Amino acid sequence: ETGVTQTPRHLVMGMTNKKSLKCEQHLGHNAMYWYKQSAKKPLELMFVYSLEERVENNSVPSRFSPECPNSSHLFLHLHTLQPEDSALYLCASSQDWLAGDNEQFFGPGTRLTVL
Amino acid sequence: AQTVTQSQPEMSVQEAETVTLSCTYDTSENNYYLFWYKQPPSRQMILVIRQEAYKQQNATENRFSVNFQKAAKSFSLKISDSQLGDTAMYFCALGNYGGSQGNLIFGKGTKLSVKP
Repeated sequence: ETGVTQTPRHLVMGMTNKKSLKCEQHLGHNAMYWYKQSAKKPLELMFVYSLEERVENNSVPSRFSPECPNSSHLFLHLHTLQPEDSALYLCASSQDWLAGDNEQFFGPGTRLTVL
Repeated sequence: AQTVTQSQPEMSVQEAETVTLSCTYDTSENNYYLFWYKQPPSRQMILVIRQEAYKQQNATENRFSVNFQKAAKSFSLKISDSQLGDTAMYFCALGNYGGSQGNLIFGKGTKLSVKP
């Protein structure tokens, strides 16, 4: 596979469930990102990892827990979510976090519905 | 704070015609990049075009070009000879470099519909 892949593509979960979103990049990049995309809102940056270290955490509720075991993989662990957490969750990667042009390559997203 | 504003939530254009999407931004940085990303329905977001702030010449990629007005902090996207495949959400984004963080700031997006 090439580019940035995300699994699952769709996820429906109850408020008491625990699930994980997975992202994998095949581009040799050093930075990876989690975004939340809701209708009629700008993309919300949730977490940034650079060289497997978390460098950004934008006041995200603790029910979202990221994990970056290596530079190619990024996870978002979910537990005790609320209905307002329903959204499209996008993963992205870039060559370096502080690089000049910092073009980000996006995955297809996971459409999450919390019942 | 840095902001990106896209004032047109939705736009439509006839196939083969030209359309311009607006974007304004605010930053106190001198070194930055501007981007337009395209997100087709149910498909991945991809980069359309980018502009380095230190370059006066407007970027062009085939049918896509920008009008970069640095003093006015304006960065519009022109799509010429619109095609049905151009139907998508378009996001304007601002990125800095040389500073302490490398995040992109996105606008809310403009939904473009190309009609046959």
